[in-house]
Amino acid sequence: EAGVTQFPSHSVIEKGQTVTLRCDPISGHDNLYWYRRVMGKEIKFLLHFVKESKQDESGMPNNRFLAERTGGTYSTLKVQPAELEDSGVYFCASSEFDRAGYTFGSGTRLTVV
Amino acid sequence: AQSVAQPEDQVNVAEGNPLTVKCTYSVSGNPYLFWYVQYPNRGLQFLLKYITGDNLVKGSYGFEAEFNKSQTSFHLKKPSALVSDSALYFCAVLNSGGYQKVTFGTGTKLQVIP
Repeated sequence: EAGVTQFPSHSVIEKGQTVTLRCDPISGHDNLYWYRRVMGKEIKFLLHFVKESKQDESGMPNNRFLAERTGGTYSTLKVQPAELEDSGVYFCASSEFDRAGYTFGSGTRLTVV
Repeated sequence: AQSVAQPEDQVNVAEGNPLTVKCTYSVSGNPYLFWYVQYPNRGLQFLLKYITGDNLVKGSYGFEAEFNKSQTSFHLKKPSALVSDSALYFCAVLNSGGYQKVTFGTGTKLQVIP
């Protein structure tokens, strides 16, 4: 079974630019989550999709972040325009049920300079 | 609200010695508890979880964790540390009732010294 795939693995962009992160969950997993770890702090929840619907987006920091999951398969997380404080590692995870425990991707390390 | 505390930013242990990485949690209902590990330049990997049943949970790579309800703790342990265990360890909690998302601690860096 293929795991959760995220790309790019690293991205360095300038402040003000746009970046799109992609996550491909495990096939058949309806639940998809985005998390972020910033500068050695805890891994913080961003949002949760159930299929193509946003179940919970309470963790999205502001309207510069836009997540989509068209067709309930892969998801994208766009940051536009990027700010310095957006730097961190963005993790995607998927699960079959919302309490099954998550399978994480390897993360995207975003550096905004 | 639910929360996780990992009181140690870093734990140093000599190779071959037992290791403990501490975790305490706060949740309104019954907890589901998890440990994840992040090796350098890698993603988060699942180590073990407690859902119900035996308080001692065994996981990958020889790790185990003990659920202690009275102390609200879920410490990660291994009888004999390896240099390759050096990594960042995250404890996480999920409320078993109602809708919640997994809440992570701040992580503990484990350094195993040869």
